[in-house]
Amino acid sequence: EDQVTQSPEALRLQEGESSSLNCSYTVSGLRGLFWYRQDPGKGPEFLFTLYSAGEEKEKERLKATLTKKESFLHITAPKPEDSATYLCAVQARGGSNYKLTFGKGTLLTVNP
Amino acid sequence: EPEVTQTPSHQVTQMGQEVILRCVPISNHLYFYWYRQILGQKVEFLVSFYNNEISEKSEIFDDQFSVERPDGSNFTLKIRSTKLEDSAMYFCADSPSQAGAFFGQGTRLTVV
Repeated sequence: EDQVTQSPEALRLQEGESSSLNCSYTVSGLRGLFWYRQDPGKGPEFLFTLYSAGEEKEKERLKATLTKKESFLHITAPKPEDSATYLCAVQARGGSNYKLTFGKGTLLTVNP
Repeated sequence: EPEVTQTPSHQVTQMGQEVILRCVPISNHLYFYWYRQILGQKVEFLVSFYNNEISEKSEIFDDQFSVERPDGSNFTLKIRSTKLEDSAMYFCADSPSQAGAFFGQGTRLTVV
């Protein structure tokens, strides 16, 4: 069974204080690893897709990296508007199975 | 930018009643999904739909649930005889390919 574990559960940062969120996963052959941002009461908003170990993607203050066992979401000089829950999900390779398996997320709060 | 649209945004129903949640996917996307998120918990896969048929369903998706594309564009989730434990955010998602998914803003279902 595919599993995704995210840490920490919650992270509080001061504006400008860089940090990283972790996503460790177990999957029977990785098709892709996905990062989403979720604001309260809203749907997950797509951020990145990573397909293979060593791959990196960047968007504004966010940078996602992937190894064979985990992914990191690095947040550089965060702003209060980066406050949200960040979700990690994996998609397994094979057959007609395209479902995403999500972690519980990391609730990020950035204080001004 | 195209987006997945869900209606209604909030639905309150009495236990035992039937509800239909509606979704308008992004045009030309081929893979459709329903997920749900119980308050404070993970986003969970319910069902995937491709080529006008269910391609995979989770153990949550029992005989109480059904999905349809009634007119080739809209995508619906029907829950028959709702239970209190069906209260959750329900998300429609779609994808142009096998990788990842784009989510709607969700329907908050409250069963009383």
